[in-house]
Amino acid sequence: EVQLLESGGGLVQPGGSLRLSCAASGFTSSSYTLSWIRKAPGKGLEWVSSTSDSGGGAYYAESVKGRFTISRDNSKNTLYLQMTSLRAEDTALYYCATVIAGTVYHWGQGTLVTVSS
Amino acid sequence: QSALTQPASVSGSPGQSITISCTGTSSDVGRFDLVSWYQQHPGKAPKLMIYEVTKRPSGVSTRFSGSKSGNTASLTISGLQAEDEADYSCCSYAGDSTWVFGGGTKLTVL
Repeated sequence: EVQLLESGGGLVQPGGSLRLSCAASGFTSSSYTLSWIRKAPGKGLEWVSSTSDSGGGAYYAESVKGRFTISRDNSKNTLYLQMTSLRAEDTALYYCATVIAGTVYHWGQGTLVTVSS
Repeated sequence: QSALTQPASVSGSPGQSITISCTGTSSDVGRFDLVSWYQQHPGKAPKLMIYEVTKRPSGVSTRFSGSKSGNTASLTISGLQAEDEADYSCCSYAGDSTWVFGGGTKLTVL
């Protein structure tokens, strides 16, 4: 059974940084594209970033480009999201997800990021 | 990337059928047959209900079906049940390893 467990969320001041992690189990993470998707309070889901199975490709939504960096360590079956220059509008529940043949497939339970002074 | 357009809410009585629309553009919904639908109950992670426009993952009820015409995709739930009450979101691949989601639709079972 595929399981994704996010961690690293918390309260951070505007302009601050945070690193999210997503531990994958039940499958070999190097087999899949992995993504971060977020849901802000009162808003819909928003795709944030994806990295290819090898980690050689990294893709970002315009809203986070230049501030967030996605990476993965396939030896540890772990996905990361380094977030810098955080803004109030980055406040959201961040989900880790697998992508299989173009479909966002399995989801974790999410980790909450709150950007506030 | 602009979000896909969904109605904010829909409702139906038990046993009835409802349809939720998801409108995108010729760059996403209209271009790729990679539309998916997710069900999300409060405090839970999204669950994949439909993928590649019409396909159901193993374990998803046959009461859930998907379709697409042009730039608009639709999710139909037949024989509404109380446990179907949830938020539903659509998603489309948008090319270049990017995805776009809809704003979500709250389904109320009356």
